[in-house]
Amino acid sequence: KNEVEQSPQNLTAQEGEFITINCSYSVGISALHWLQQHPGGGIVSLFMLSSGKKKHGRLIATINIQEKHSSLHITASHPRDSAVYICAVRSGATNKLIFGTGTLLAVQP
Amino acid sequence: EPEVTQTPSHQVTQMGQEVILRCVPISNHLYFYWYRQILGQKVEFLVSFYNNEISEKSEIFDDQFSVERPDGSNFTLKIRSTKLEDSAMYFCASSDTRLSSYEQYFGPGTRLTVT
Repeated sequence: KNEVEQSPQNLTAQEGEFITINCSYSVGISALHWLQQHPGGGIVSLFMLSSGKKKHGRLIATINIQEKHSSLHITASHPRDSAVYICAVRSGATNKLIFGTGTLLAVQP
Repeated sequence: EPEVTQTPSHQVTQMGQEVILRCVPISNHLYFYWYRQILGQKVEFLVSFYNNEISEKSEIFDDQFSVERPDGSNFTLKIRSTKLEDSAMYFCASSDTRLSSYEQYFGPGTRLTVT
């Protein structure tokens, strides 16, 4: 069983739609990361959070520690948001990241 | 803005050959990591390195892998005798130990192709 599960695996949206990507984890964590990976492979960190909610532009990330769940929301989606969005958790005892399988998002104009 | 750099961007090698992947972490960062991503699969942790020694390694990081910080700026991953299944994207990351967050910053990756 994967320690970090994401849903959905694939998501197609129309430009302007509100998007939600979910992440559930089964291990104790010290932080959760949301990352973005574009074709060509580079990984960019979007958020790191250990409680509550963070907002950056059109992106919002929330985490519920008790339920071991996090969501990434994209408001007013745009084709340039098309990418793979990855949830990764930092396990409490170490600094290594445990990655989810990613959500492939395609935003159509 | 400071960034992690990696060279080469793409490495093609024959099975059985040794390869060295290079990373320059962000200056003043002291915690370094290597991850790999086989095509179509999730990113996997290989090893973390702090204070000139390995702090944690995964079961993937067997005796054919080694890491080194040969000078004050470079951090390398060596694969002694490459196998076909070593073909993957290898990411280096670094974090600032002065910050309790230990947020990791990733390099652009090196695509390793073993033929």
